[in-house]
Amino acid sequence: NFMLTQPHSVSESPGKTVTISCTRSSGSIASNYVQWYQQRPGSAPTTVIYEDNQRPSGVPDRFSGSIDSSSNSASLTISGLKTEDEADYYCQSYDSSNGVFGGGTKLTVL
Amino acid sequence: EVQLVESGGVVVQPGGSLRLSCAASGFTFDDYTMHWVRQAPGKGLEWVSLISWDGGSTYYADSVKGRFTISRDNSKNSLYLQMNSLRTEDTALYYCAKTRAPYSSGSAEWEFDYWGQGTLVTVSS
Repeated sequence: NFMLTQPHSVSESPGKTVTISCTRSSGSIASNYVQWYQQRPGSAPTTVIYEDNQRPSGVPDRFSGSIDSSSNSASLTISGLKTEDEADYYCQSYDSSNGVFGGGTKLTVL
Repeated sequence: EVQLVESGGVVVQPGGSLRLSCAASGFTFDDYTMHWVRQAPGKGLEWVSLISWDGGSTYYADSVKGRFTISRDNSKNSLYLQMNSLRTEDTALYYCAKTRAPYSSGSAEWEFDYWGQGTLVTVSS
C-alpha cells in the first residue's frame, strides 16, 4: 500500500492564494484519481475536487486541483482566500483494493 | 435530497462486538458502491471498507481485515458494518459514504460525494 503525505498545517491571509500538497509514496500519482475533501469542525467532509481537477457543482472556482508527475504529487490551490475556507483538507486516492487518505492539512486564514 | 443516517455507535469493552447501520435515502441505493470511513478523535480520516452495489465485492483496510464485515440490504436501502474483536484503537466516529457515480459508469468507485454525520464508537473498559 502507498501513503499520501500532506503538510500538517498552512496559514495565509484573506485574499491571498494558498497551495496544499499531497505526495504519493509509491506508484504514480497519475495512476489513480485524487480527490480533495474539506472538513470544518464538527461537520462531515465535503468534496471540493474530484478526479484530480474537477469541481463539484456549488464549489467556487477559487478551488482548483492539479497533479505533477515529476514530484509525484497532487495540489489543491485556493485563491482569494476567505475566512470561511478555514478548515481541514484531506487528499484521497486509491489502488485496486484500498482507499488512502492523506493525514490532513489544517488551513488557517488569518 | 441524498441522506445518509448512521446509527449503532455505543461504548463497548475491548473484545466486544457491535453492528453499525446506515440508512440511505434520496438516491437509487442499489446503483451505488458504498463505503465506511472512520475518524478517531482529533485525528484524520481513515478508509475502512467498500462494498459493491450488489454486495459481490468487498474490500477492507488492513487494520480491520478479519474483524469487520461490511454488508448491505438493498431492499431496505441500508448499509451495515459488523465489528468484532474490538480494540481501543477502533474508537472513532464512523461515517458511511456514497460514491459519486453509479456502478454502470464504470468509474468513481473510490470517490465519495455524500457522507452521513457519523456514529461514535468508543471501545473502553
